[in-house]
Amino acid sequence: QSVLTQPPSASGTPGQRVTISCSGSSSNIGTYTLNWYQQFPGTAPKLLIYSNDQRPSGVPDRFSGSKSGTSASLAISGLQSEDEAAYFCAAWDDSLNGPVFGGGTKLTVL
Amino acid sequence: QVQLQESGPGLVNPSGTLSLTCTVSGGSISTNNGWTWFRQPPGKGLEWIGEIYPSGTTNYNPSLKRRVTISVDKSKNQFSLKLRSVTAADTGVYYCARPTTGARFDYWGQGTLVTVSS
Repeated sequence: QSVLTQPPSASGTPGQRVTISCSGSSSNIGTYTLNWYQQFPGTAPKLLIYSNDQRPSGVPDRFSGSKSGTSASLAISGLQSEDEAAYFCAAWDDSLNGPVFGGGTKLTVL
Repeated sequence: QVQLQESGPGLVNPSGTLSLTCTVSGGSISTNNGWTWFRQPPGKGLEWIGEIYPSGTTNYNPSLKRRVTISVDKSKNQFSLKLRSVTAADTGVYYCARPTTGARFDYWGQGTLVTVSS
């Protein structure tokens, strides 16, 4: 059971906007910034969003993040087939004294 | 550009010890970062195993602490993971990574699948 809670699946059609939620607590998201990772099957996670809403160089601006209190969201606009992947949220946690992750959301582009 | 590469046996016997090494290239392991190990059971999320600083200071996930040792070899630009008394529940892909800060990990190894089975 993951410390951060995400829906196990999400879906959308090309061009649509989808959002993925991530819920935590005061010991993690409520205190620390939130990061999102994208993972394709058989590959390592790739940093997609850091510090709640910042994109690393090379990440399209179709991807955006937000945080409020102990919850966060990842939004993907103009959905494309290549966005089909698993998405994980992560934050530092005071109780663990380490990073905690969500269980991941598998995004399907219909 | 920092690169990380995991290496080690892909099959470990139950009750044995899982041993992996992460080789860092394109940068020095002596930078003040917490070099980290994660694992990911098949079809599941990521679990933080622990981290080590160049000084040798370690932090471990309490759920694994009694079975884990992470060490660093600065002369080889490597850090290593040992997980003792493994069971099938320890099967998964093991990743090494370097954080930039907190839970922001910009650099990851490709991952290595370790199966615990006789």
